[in-house]
Amino acid sequence: GQSLEQPSEVTAVEGAIVQINCTYQTSGFYGLSWYQQHDGGAPTFLSYNALDGLEETGRFSSFLSRSDSYGYLLLQELQMKDSASYFCAPRTRQLTFGSGTQLTVLP
Amino acid sequence: NAGVTQTPKFQVLKTGQSMTLQCAQDMNHEYMSWYRQDPGMGLRLIHYSVGAGITDQGEVPNGYNVSRSTTEDFPLRLLSAAPSQTSVYFCASSAGSPVNYGYTFGSGTRLTVV
Repeated sequence: GQSLEQPSEVTAVEGAIVQINCTYQTSGFYGLSWYQQHDGGAPTFLSYNALDGLEETGRFSSFLSRSDSYGYLLLQELQMKDSASYFCAPRTRQLTFGSGTQLTVLP
Repeated sequence: NAGVTQTPKFQVLKTGQSMTLQCAQDMNHEYMSWYRQDPGMGLRLIHYSVGAGITDQGEVPNGYNVSRSTTEDFPLRLLSAAPSQTSVYFCASSAGSPVNYGYTFGSGTRLTVV
């Protein structure tokens, strides 16, 4: 089977840096994806790590360690619009999601 | 490109009725999936497909059927609607290339079963 763990809630202030951790157990692992979902909206793809290391896309970075079955999403220079749910999703032959992390950015 | 198109956006069904949620993508993606999302929860995989003619069950397949006769379309059929199937349904698609595994989601179908 598969298991996923990420914090349920994170709160930070505008301009800060926040890290959302994800640990997973799965078979047939291709890589780790991250998605953002605003209330009432569809999930949007943020990043995908196929290899170990850090991937940077603007204010967002994502890290993967295959040997530790661990990854994280780093959000820098937080803005109010970053308030949303963030999901890590291990990519195998299918894509499954955890319960997500609700990020609240305070002014 | 329209991306992933889901219809309808809203639907109310009576218990026992059947219906089909439509999903179409114009990106020539091999992978397509259906998810349901209940309030305050994550997305749960219902069924998925890795190519035309190939479908498989996800985490919560009971009460749903799918088929994939073309690359573009992946309809989800509710056989006999139950109140427990009240949810938001998302269809998503992805290319099969190892360098581009991001899924594109449709805008969702909000289904209420009364």
